[in-house]
Amino acid sequence: DQQVKQNSPSLSVQEGRISILNCDYTNSMFDYFLWYKKYPAEGPTFLISISSIKDKNEDGRFTVFLNKSAKHLSLHIVPSQPGDSAVYFCAATSSGIGNQFYFGTGTSLTVIP
Amino acid sequence: EAQVTQNPRYLITVTGKKLTVTCSQNMNHEYMSWYRQDPGLGLRQIYYSMNVEVTDKGDVPEGYKVSRKEKRNFPLILESPSPNQTSLYFCASSLSITGVAFFGQGTRLTVV
Repeated sequence: DQQVKQNSPSLSVQEGRISILNCDYTNSMFDYFLWYKKYPAEGPTFLISISSIKDKNEDGRFTVFLNKSAKHLSLHIVPSQPGDSAVYFCAATSSGIGNQFYFGTGTSLTVIP
Repeated sequence: EAQVTQNPRYLITVTGKKLTVTCSQNMNHEYMSWYRQDPGLGLRQIYYSMNVEVTDKGDVPEGYKVSRKEKRNFPLILESPSPNQTSLYFCASSLSITGVAFFGQGTRLTVV
């Protein structure tokens, strides 16, 4: 049973526009969320995280929003650049459920020049 | 350079032949884990370790073993590989459960 879901397998965006990647989760015990970016033939790299005590975290062009009541988080990339083309995974964890990480299935973002 | 090193990068083996995928990190991280990536399923955690001699099952531990005898190493052992273990495997380490995780470059395993 997938506890973290990314329902959009792919997304295409024009360069300079906003990319919005979405993630839903089912377990209300999750209290820490992360986004990773993955290029082909490489391991995932950390992008940004957010604790459940916050509803927004910003790092340069990347902002993560957390809506706990909806069990939903989103990653905004503004402005999008061709180098952002990659697969993005969201992940969730909680020390209250054994320190496991649960990843979504990923969204492949293509930024069109 | 801070890194997580996995070996081998590619491996083709036959059903039932025991194999080990090594993972080593040079960042003195406490938390290490193994994932497999399969199409349509994303990354699924196999095993994780909070510290030396402390390991625990992730989401898909069946058919795998791990050990954490030293802080830097976290090998993944497949005692009797089967074709359904054909996958892309990643090792990762972080300072803590909420720390930034560094991933290795992956090991593509094919079991025939």
